[in-house]
Amino acid sequence: QVQLRESGPGLVKPSETLSLICTVSGVSISPSYWSWIRQPPGKGLEWIGYIYYTGTTNYNPSLKSRVTISVDTSKNQFSLSLTSVTAADTAIYYCARDYSGTYVFDYWGQGALVTVSS
Amino acid sequence: EIVMTQTPLSLSVTPGQPASISCKSSRSLLHSDGKTYLYWYLQRPGQSPQLLIYEVSSRFSGVPDRISGSGSGTDFTLKISRVEAEDVGVYYCMEATHLPRTFGQGTKVEIK
Repeated sequence: QVQLRESGPGLVKPSETLSLICTVSGVSISPSYWSWIRQPPGKGLEWIGYIYYTGTTNYNPSLKSRVTISVDTSKNQFSLSLTSVTAADTAIYYCARDYSGTYVFDYWGQGALVTVSS
Repeated sequence: EIVMTQTPLSLSVTPGQPASISCKSSRSLLHSDGKTYLYWYLQRPGQSPQLLIYEVSSRFSGVPDRISGSGSGTDFTLKISRVEAEDVGVYYCMEATHLPRTFGQGTKVEIK
């Protein structure tokens, strides 16, 4: 079955870079779009951006200056980099399959809590 | 950026009774390809969100037929005909007609 798993540090210092990897199993990363979504504790969902398997990206304008999403089709993984983090970036970060021709966000990872604190 | 506004923000429902959630967008979600990319998700406590409804009214695999979606343009509704214990959680609408993808604030559904 399709599984997505986020991995990366659970604690990041202010001003440093948050880095997460999403490993996809059970389905090829191509030819779909893949997204990162975050959820601050007790709050709603915010789309961060997506990447197509070819490497084409689109980012939320609110985070665009700090976000990079990349893909490694050979490892069936995609990753998130968020620079210059502050406490406001503390959240559960989800990876999800974005548009695959019909559905959007039909598969989600279990989420990774990332806390920004010194 | 499209603004998605859900009402109510919370709902307490007696089991077996219906529930309805409204989602309004600040602009039409009708795409130039003729489709409307409005989705509904349920996030059960402690879990990741899960897809319920895609393209306004189509149920995703495994979603019971007591859950339905409707609407067009800027006004959309999710209805649960008979609420059950498993329906507890936060429901989000999300639009994918435009970029960035935008979610509603969420509607928390609890059982009385």
